Amino acid sequence: DVKVTQSSRYLVKRTGEKVFLECVQDMDHENMFWYRQDPGLGLRLIYFSYDVKMKEKGDIPEGYSVSREKKERFSLILESASTNQTSMYLCATRSTMITEAFFGQGTRLTVV
Amino acid sequence: GDSVTQMEGPVTLSEEAFLTINCTYTATGYPSLFWYVQYPGEGLQLLLKATKADDKGSNKGFEATYRKETTSFHLEKGSVQVSDSAVYFCALSDGVTGGGNKLTFGTGTQLKVEL
Repeated sequence: DVKVTQSSRYLVKRTGEKVFLECVQDMDHENMFWYRQDPGLGLRLIYFSYDVKMKEKGDIPEGYSVSREKKERFSLILESASTNQTSMYLCATRSTMITEAFFGQGTRLTVV
Repeated sequence: GDSVTQMEGPVTLSEEAFLTINCTYTATGYPSLFWYVQYPGEGLQLLLKATKADDKGSNKGFEATYRKETTSFHLEKGSVQVSDSAVYFCALSDGVTGGGNKLTFGTGTQLKVEL
């Protein structure tokens, strides 16, 4: 089974803090994604990566950056957290050879 | 760009009722279509998929048929159970090979099944 592990289930951070969300996968998938999930808006793509050190902006990249130094790990960085970044964050991975994506359990981030 | 529209919820049904959740899409090319399910407090799990027109995806009693002529992928189940209570997301993959190949999601439909 594919395993996608996000480092935290719940996080509470203060406004202005730098926040790191980590995602690790064990299936050697080339593609990794970060989404945020908000009620009524579904899942919106923040950033994705199709190879080590490669990244592309998704639909809502503002206020975020990412890092992929190793194939199995994809980090989402909130440079200066703000209250409007309070959300559920979901990491996903996908092999180039198959169509579906596999998700982590999610990190619920609250910025106070 | 690509988009997915699904019916708004919440949908509340009695156990053993018939379920339909509508999903339509807009995409260029030949996308693959998916239904994902999210149980409370968890991430998304793939429920079923279809990769070309007229394909039917099925799993756990759920079914959906890829209808290119109506650009639809409606989710159905003949008899729902309380354990089916969850949020259901329709999604498409843009079919671009190689890097990227993003998934585009609908807004989700919450299903609540009562005894």
